Amino acid sequence: EVQLVESGGGLVQPGGSLRLSCAASGFTFSSYAMSWVRQAPGKGLEWVSAISGSGGSTYYADSVKGRFTISRDNSKNTLYLQMNSLRAEDTAVYYCAKDDSYSHYYMDVWGKGTTVTVSS
Amino acid sequence: SYELTQPPSVSVSPGQTARITCSGDALPKKYAYWYQQKSGQAPVLVIYEDSKRPSGIPERFSGSSSGTMATLTISGAQVEDEADYYCYSTDSSGNHRGVFGGGTKLTVL
Repeated sequence: EVQLVESGGGLVQPGGSLRLSCAASGFTFSSYAMSWVRQAPGKGLEWVSAISGSGGSTYYADSVKGRFTISRDNSKNTLYLQMNSLRAEDTAVYYCAKDDSYSHYYMDVWGKGTTVTVSS
Repeated sequence: SYELTQPPSVSVSPGQTARITCSGDALPKKYAYWYQQKSGQAPVLVIYEDSKRPSGIPERFSGSSSGTMATLTISGAQVEDEADYYCYSTDSSGNHRGVFGGGTKLTVL
C-alpha cells in the first residue's frame, strides 16, 4: 500500500524558513515523480511544485518560484520542500503527492498533509 | 497564467445525474484530471486522462472532454458523493506546470 506522510509544518514568522518532508513507502520511490500541492484555509487546491524521479527536473508555480526549492533523497525515500522568505499567503495545508509516472503529469496518491502557518 | 474555470456549485437530488464542467484553452491538447475532496480529507483521484477511472472508483463516475471543456459526470449521485471536486491539467507551454480549477461544491440532497 502506498503511504505518504508529511512532516515539518508549524508556525513561522513572515520572512522565515521551513523545510517540509514527505516519507514515502509502498512503491519504488525513485521511479516516480513527486509533487507538492497546498490549500489555504477555506480555499481551493494550488499546485506548488514537482520533481522528476531522478530529481533532475523540477517545476514550480510562479507564486513560489525563487523562494521554494523541491528536492528528493531517493536513498531515504523522502521528498522535501524548502520554503524561504515565507509570506502570510503561504499559510496552508501542504500535501505531498505521488505522480503516476517518472515525469510529472498528474498526482494519483496523496498524503494527509501538514499545516504551515505564517504569522507574527 | 493558465486558468481552468469551474462553476462554484452544483446541486442535485439523490439518484439524479450531476455534471461538473471545467473549461480551459489548453484542454484540446492536454488531459483533464478530476479529484474529489471530502470535508477535512485529502483529495482522491476519480478520473484521469479525461475519461479513465482508477481502480476502486465507482462506475457512476465518468469523464469526457470536447474542445476546451472537460466534464465530470456522476450518474445516480449518492449522498456520499457530496464533496468538492477539482479539475486539474498542465499548461500548454510544455513546462509541466500544473493548474487546478477553482473547485465545485457538489451538494446531494
